[in-house]
Amino acid sequence: AQSVSQHNHHVILSEAASLELGCNYSYGGTVNLFWYVQYPGQHLQLLLKYFSGDPLVKGIKGFEAEFIKSKFSFNLRKPSVQWSDTAEYFCAVINNNAGNMLTFGGGTRLMVKP
Amino acid sequence: DSGVTQTPKHLITATGQRVTLRCSPRSGDLSVYWYQQSLDQGLQFLIQYYNGEERAKGNILERFSAQQFPDLHSELNLSSLELGDSALYFCASSPTPPGGTDTQYFGPGTRLTVL
Repeated sequence: AQSVSQHNHHVILSEAASLELGCNYSYGGTVNLFWYVQYPGQHLQLLLKYFSGDPLVKGIKGFEAEFIKSKFSFNLRKPSVQWSDTAEYFCAVINNNAGNMLTFGGGTRLMVKP
Repeated sequence: DSGVTQTPKHLITATGQRVTLRCSPRSGDLSVYWYQQSLDQGLQFLIQYYNGEERAKGNILERFSAQQFPDLHSELNLSSLELGDSALYFCASSPTPPGGTDTQYFGPGTRLTVL
């Protein structure tokens, strides 16, 4: 079965610091990759997605992610975080050969100190 | 606002009881997915329906069942509830036909507390 790993469970940054959250997946076939964000008390919102093409994808709120197939990774980055980025971030994968269900990583809780 | 609605927002019930969670997908979306988010298991896929038919099953307990109605809304039925069923239950929708992949848009969730 495929799995998704997010190695950082908790990250604390000061405002204006750069952010990189790691995501690795286990499946070797064709995958679609997503990052979702969950602000406190809210539902999951799509930050960005990769289906094909340019492996560097840009999402909302200044986030970007790079798909590196050889490393089975899809790390999320933001050059300068803001206090409003405090949230939980989930990496998710769809295995194209196993239907459209999302397999989620364990999530990374980000706290940005003002 | 994703366009996916879920009711109720909160549900508090006792062990052994049965509850029904409701989801209305985005306009035009034929696929509905149910996910469970708990502290110990994280976010897990439960089940998918497409245009009224069950399409995929994940880690869904036998005590849980779901259906999708002709108007495309879906209900998740949880019975013989246990303390461990306390979780946030999310519904998501997408236009995806069978065999395709697409972005899923999530509803606000139903927080179930079993006492």
